[in-house]
Amino acid sequence: DGGITQSPKYLFRKEGQNVTLSCEQNLNHDAMYWYRQDPGQGLRLIYYSQIVNDFQKGDIAEGYSVSREKKESFPLTVTSAQKNPTAFYLCASYREPGNTIYFGEGSWLTVV
Amino acid sequence: DAKTTQPTSMDCAEGRAANLPCNHSTISGNEYVYWYRQIHSQGPQYIIHGLKNNETNEMASLIITEDRKSSTLILPHATLRDTAVYYCIVRLYNNNDMRFGAGTRLTVKP
Repeated sequence: DGGITQSPKYLFRKEGQNVTLSCEQNLNHDAMYWYRQDPGQGLRLIYYSQIVNDFQKGDIAEGYSVSREKKESFPLTVTSAQKNPTAFYLCASYREPGNTIYFGEGSWLTVV
Repeated sequence: DAKTTQPTSMDCAEGRAANLPCNHSTISGNEYVYWYRQIHSQGPQYIIHGLKNNETNEMASLIITEDRKSSTLILPHATLRDTAVYYCIVRLYNNNDMRFGAGTRLTVKP
């Protein structure tokens, strides 16, 4: 079945370590997104990519980095510069026509 | 960039219609209005979208005002399982920048 796969679902890391969250889609979608969600809060856009080898910052890009070397993959690295990285991270993809955005199941990152 | 504003929370009695408002006063002519909902900490689920005309599907109806500055999502017969955070978002013109606001936390009560 087509869809978006995020991994790992749960991740624990020590403070000061970089960590990379994986997002893979087999939907042949051009646009991909990373969102962050804190408990009881809405979704905030970190980065998005409209095409391979291109990406734009969202509202809270500081302390994060991304790459888009392949259409199906959009990994997110949470760097040590991110002051409060513990959160729920969601990856999504989008295609035209259809105007539907698809989400993965999310990744829980806890930094201790 | 078009922004959306929604009430923080709403309650609805089970079996009644839930009407969730959204303001998008700076929306441009080619921008669509989308509605999603998020239950617990799952990924948001697509509900409906529209450009100018009112839309209806098996889940909900979307009413867009004539000036397109606001819209209302209608769940015609709310159930307890409709308790969720509902997001109204606007797709920005000519790019795929999709930003969610804080959404409305709908609580359906027995």
